[in-house]
Amino acid sequence: EAQVTQNPRYLITVTGKKLTVTCSQNMNHEYMSWYRQDPGLGLRQIYYSMNVEVTDKGDVPEGYKVSRKEKRNFPLILESPSPNQTSLYFCASSPRVRETQYFGPGTRLLVL
Amino acid sequence: KQEVTQIPAALSVPEGENLVLNCSFTDSAIYNLQWFRQDPGKGLTSLLLIQSSQREQTSGRLNASLDKSSGRSTLYIAASQPGDSATYLCAVRPGGSEKLVFGKGTKLTVNP
Repeated sequence: EAQVTQNPRYLITVTGKKLTVTCSQNMNHEYMSWYRQDPGLGLRQIYYSMNVEVTDKGDVPEGYKVSRKEKRNFPLILESPSPNQTSLYFCASSPRVRETQYFGPGTRLLVL
Repeated sequence: KQEVTQIPAALSVPEGENLVLNCSFTDSAIYNLQWFRQDPGKGLTSLLLIQSSQREQTSGRLNASLDKSSGRSTLYIAASQPGDSATYLCAVRPGGSEKLVFGKGTKLTVNP
């Protein structure tokens, strides 16, 4: 089944404890992206990747890192999480940059 | 900076009604516009993508139109059903950009 998977789906952590949210797609898509969704603010793009080893900042990149070493994986790294990073995170992919995006199920993160 | 607005924020209709959801954007220089559906606790599902050169796209009971010059798009849902209850999100891709800019969504409730 063609899909975007994210792990974990739910995560509670404490301030400053490094964490990684994984994202994987099995559709051979070139473009991948991370978003966060917050009440009243909607979906905002964190980082995106046009292809392997090519990444760029979205609108809210502060406090996040990404890497794209393989085409199928695009992990989101929070090196020192803070409470303002409590949010619902979505990974998405598309065949190429301007085509229909397919979203993962989301990761709900709570930073205490 | 591109901004996307969706009005109303919430809409409740009886089953069987035809309805229109609105999306407006501030900069008409867009590459394409996409409508998504989001169910509670789940990711986004792409409904329709309209290229800037197109005026409308149809899929089943859904029809999306685009008037780029006036900065507006509408999503028409015919013969609404309770299963259509969800939040509908509009997103535009600004011309020359690899990013998606989302509206905050319209929460639709279709009552049996």
